[in-house]
Amino acid sequence: DAGVIQSPRHEVTEMGQEVTLRCKPISGHDYLFWYRQTMMRGLELLIYFNNNVPIDDSGMPEDRFSAKMPNASFSTLKIQPSEPRDSAVYFCASSLGQGRMTEAFFGQGTRLTVV
Amino acid sequence: SQQGEEDPQALSIQEGENATMNCSYKTSINNLQWYRQNSGRGLVHLILIRSNEREKHSGRLRVTLDTSKKSSSLLITASRAADTASYFCATDAYSNDYKLSFGAGTTVTVRA
Repeated sequence: DAGVIQSPRHEVTEMGQEVTLRCKPISGHDYLFWYRQTMMRGLELLIYFNNNVPIDDSGMPEDRFSAKMPNASFSTLKIQPSEPRDSAVYFCASSLGQGRMTEAFFGQGTRLTVV
Repeated sequence: SQQGEEDPQALSIQEGENATMNCSYKTSINNLQWYRQNSGRGLVHLILIRSNEREKHSGRLRVTLDTSKKSSSLLITASRAADTASYFCATDAYSNDYKLSFGAGTTVTVRA
C-alpha cells in the first residue's frame, strides 16, 4: 500500500476562494482523521470518520469548514470562503481503530497558504 | 485542548549521545504513543505503550510510562543525524472517546 495519499501537497489561494483538500486513506482502515498543524496551536483534530460516517466534528473551527467521506477510499476537506488565518498544514490520517492499541498513519500533508 | 505536553521544547545534542524527552498528561489514559515528524513531512508512528505497561523498547528507542506521575519519557540512544526531527507524544483515553490528543512536540537536533 502506498500509504495515506493527500493532494495537493501545496496550495496557495487568495482570500475568499474555495479550497478543497483531498485524502485517500490506507485500504482497509475504518477510521479517517483530519488534523491541522500550526506553530501557534500545534496539531489539532478537526474531524474524524468511522466507516465513512462523521463521528466528531467538534474540532472544526467554523462553518466555513466542511468535510465529506463519500466512500471508504476518499475524503475531502473544504474551506469556503478561505481566510489568511486558515493558513496551516492539513494532515489526513487513517487507522484500523480509534486510538486504542492502534497507530495512526499520516499523509504527507497539504501546506495551505491563503493570501 | 492538548492532553500531552512535551519537555523540553527543543534539544540539541552531538551525534552518538543519547536524547531524552518527556511527556506529561492530565487525565487517565488508555495508551500513549510517540510519533516522529521530519521537517515538511507527516508524522510517523514510533512506539505505543499501554497504560498497564511500564517500559517498552524498539531498536534504539526506549519508552517508559509512569501512570502515577502521568508522565512518559522517550530515550533515543546513540543518536544519529537522521534522528533530527520533532517528536510528539499522543494519548488516548476513554473519557475522550479514544481520540488521539497530541502534545506540542520536542524538536531534536543532532549535530554531526
